[in-house]
Amino acid sequence: ETGVTQTPRHLVMGMTNKKSLKCEQHLGHNAMYWYKQSAKKPLELMFVYSLEERVENNSVPSRFSPECPNSSHLFLHLHTLQPEDSALYLCASSQDQWGRGQETQYFGPGTRLLVL
Amino acid sequence: SQQGEEDPQALSIQEGENATMNCSYKTSINNLQWYRQNSGRGLVHLILIRSNEREKHSGRLRVTLDTSKKSSSLLITASRAADTASYFCATDVHGGRALTFGSGTRLQVQP
Repeated sequence: ETGVTQTPRHLVMGMTNKKSLKCEQHLGHNAMYWYKQSAKKPLELMFVYSLEERVENNSVPSRFSPECPNSSHLFLHLHTLQPEDSALYLCASSQDQWGRGQETQYFGPGTRLLVL
Repeated sequence: SQQGEEDPQALSIQEGENATMNCSYKTSINNLQWYRQNSGRGLVHLILIRSNEREKHSGRLRVTLDTSKKSSSLLITASRAADTASYFCATDVHGGRALTFGSGTRLQVQP
C-alpha cells in the first residue's frame, strides 16, 4: 500500500448524475494531485493542490470540480459528465512545497469511472 | 507530443531475460522518475534520478540518464513474471507544477 486511498474504486454514473471521488493520504504530504488516465493516452494532470491551495488547473472542463478541505483530503466533484470522461482517475500526493511535483509522487489505486 | 515518450510501446520477453525501456524528453529537467503500473491500478514509484546523476541502481533496476541526448533508460535484469506491468517515465519541467508522464511501455514477461 502506498498510503493513499481512493473511494470508490469503481463508479458507474449517468450523464445527469452528480457524484464525488474521494482521496485521502496518510503520509503527511502537503501536495495532492488528480490525474486522468484514458486508454492508450498518457496520464493527464487535472489539478494540483499545494498547501490546500490550487496551483494548477490544466484547462479541465468545469464539469469537474476539485475540493481540498485540508492537506490530507482531496475530492473531485463530478456533474453532467460525458461518456468520453470514462477513465481511471488517479490521486497522488507528494511532499512538495510549491506544487512543483519534483519529488516522488505516491499514487492511490484509482477510481474506474464509467459514464453511460 | 508529450514531454516524455517511452520506447518501445510494448515488449515481450522470457523470464530470466533482461528488459530495457527507453524514454526521451524535450526540455530541461530537474529529475526523471520511473513508475510502474499493474493493470488498472495506481502507479508505483520505482526510482528517481536527478539531472546531475548519470546512473542509479535499485535492486534489479538500473537507470541511466543522458541529459545531452535528453534520454533515459530503465533496465530490469533477470526479469520475473511478476514484473509484467506498464512502465512510465515522468519528468518535471523547469518551472512546471507537476510531473509529465509518457505513454508507457507495456512489458510482458512470459514464465
